[in-house]
Amino acid sequence: QLQLQESGPGLVKPSETLSLTCTVSGGSISSSSYYGGWIRQPPGKGLEWIGSIYYSGSTYYNPSLKGRVTISIDTSKSQFSLNLSAVTAADTAVYYCARHQYGIGFDNWGQGTLVTVSS
Amino acid sequence: DIQMTQSPSTLSASVGDRVTITCRASQSISSWLAWYQQKPGKAPHLLIYKASSLESGVPSTFSGSGSGTEFTLTISSLQPDDFATYYCQQYNSFPYTFGQGTKLEIK
Repeated sequence: QLQLQESGPGLVKPSETLSLTCTVSGGSISSSSYYGGWIRQPPGKGLEWIGSIYYSGSTYYNPSLKGRVTISIDTSKSQFSLNLSAVTAADTAVYYCARHQYGIGFDNWGQGTLVTVSS
Repeated sequence: DIQMTQSPSTLSASVGDRVTITCRASQSISSWLAWYQQKPGKAPHLLIYKASSLESGVPSTFSGSGSGTEFTLTISSLQPDDFATYYCQQYNSFPYTFGQGTKLEIK
């Protein structure tokens, strides 16, 4: 059964870079049908798509994040990663990684990790 | 960006009730719409994809319909486990966008 697990610091200082990694096990994202995606949810609020990466390395980002996002993939390690630069308190959220299949949506999610931006 | 608007924001209902949640897109998304259920402290869970296709393992009390700009999620007979927050999401084009959520509460 496919599992995704986020990892990374739970506390980041303002103006620094938030870095998270998603490790995929029990399956693959190295297929023409799959993307790896990042979604976040501020406390008590709704879901926001951050960006997605295709197994080939093609990336798609939410323009609302104004060029602060970089997503990369390492298929040999079954991992994809998120970097969000110049963070502020508004970036405090639970960050989820998820797999989405072409034509289906986000069918497998990690459990999520809370990242707090504070000095 | 395509805006997704759900209604209502909160819905109070009883076990056994039939409920419907509506999701409207600001422009046509064909049938590229998914519905998710989220419980407190948990990740969202895919229920419906391509507007009306039931994800494997999801009870048949859940159904989806619609195309273009208007979509509905129906729960035909509410079970205690169904009280949660529901989100729609369009994947017709990047940036993917979610509705603001509908919280389904016990009356």
